[in-house]
Amino acid sequence: GAVVSQHPSRVICKSGTSVKIECRSLDFQATTMFWYRQFPKQSLMLMATSNEGSKATYEQGVEKDKFLINHASLTLSTLTVTSAHPEDSSFYICSAPRHAGTDYEQYFGPGTRLTVT
Amino acid sequence: AQSVTQLGSHVSVSEGALVLLRCNYSSSVPPYLFWYVQYPNQGLQLLLKYTSAATLVKGINGFEAEFKKSETSFHLTKPSAHMSDAAEYFCAVSATDKLIFGTGTRLQVFP
Repeated sequence: GAVVSQHPSRVICKSGTSVKIECRSLDFQATTMFWYRQFPKQSLMLMATSNEGSKATYEQGVEKDKFLINHASLTLSTLTVTSAHPEDSSFYICSAPRHAGTDYEQYFGPGTRLTVT
Repeated sequence: AQSVTQLGSHVSVSEGALVLLRCNYSSSVPPYLFWYVQYPNQGLQLLLKYTSAATLVKGINGFEAEFKKSETSFHLTKPSAHMSDAAEYFCAVSATDKLIFGTGTRLQVFP
C-alpha cells in the first residue's frame, strides 16, 4: 500500500538553530501534502498545505517565515523550523492524499518529534 | 467550512464491553469522514472512512461507523473491547484534501 515516510523520526536541537523535516510519498505522487503539529495529549492542528510548484498555504496564526515549506518534487515536501525555540517542541506529522478512481485516502507519516533545548 | 466535535475526551470501558466513541461533523458540502487511531508516540492509523458509498462502514480491528446525515454524526463502535484497543481516537472530516480533526477521545480498557 501507499506509504509516507518522515525523516528524522526524532531530533533534538539547540535554541536558535534551524531544523529540516522531510516528508516523502514512497510509491505515489502527491502534488499536495499537509503538515500538522500535535502537542502532547492534544489533537492534530493543520499548519499548512504544501503545494508542488507553488507557495505553501498557511493556516491562520502559523508564521510562514518561521515554518518554511518547500515542495521540491511530486514526492517530497520539507518543513524547516527556523530559529527554533523551546515552544516549538512538538510532534510534527505530514500527510499526503491519494485519489484512485472514486477512492480517496490520506496517508500519514510516522511523525517527527522535535525537542528544542 | 468543516468542523468536527468529539464528545467525551475520555471513555473507559471494561474488556468485552461495547465501545462507542461519538463524532459529530459540520460541513457545507458532502463530506468525507474518517476515524484514525494513534498509539503513544506513533503516527496515525486509518481505522475506516466514509466516502459517500455505504453509510455503514466497516474498518479494521472490528470497528465500524455509521454515517447519519440527519444527525450529522459518524459514531465509532466496536461490539467487544479488547485491551489492545486502548489508544487515542480521532475523527476527521474533509471536503477537499484538507483534513480537519476533532479533539480526540482517549479510550481506556479495563480488565
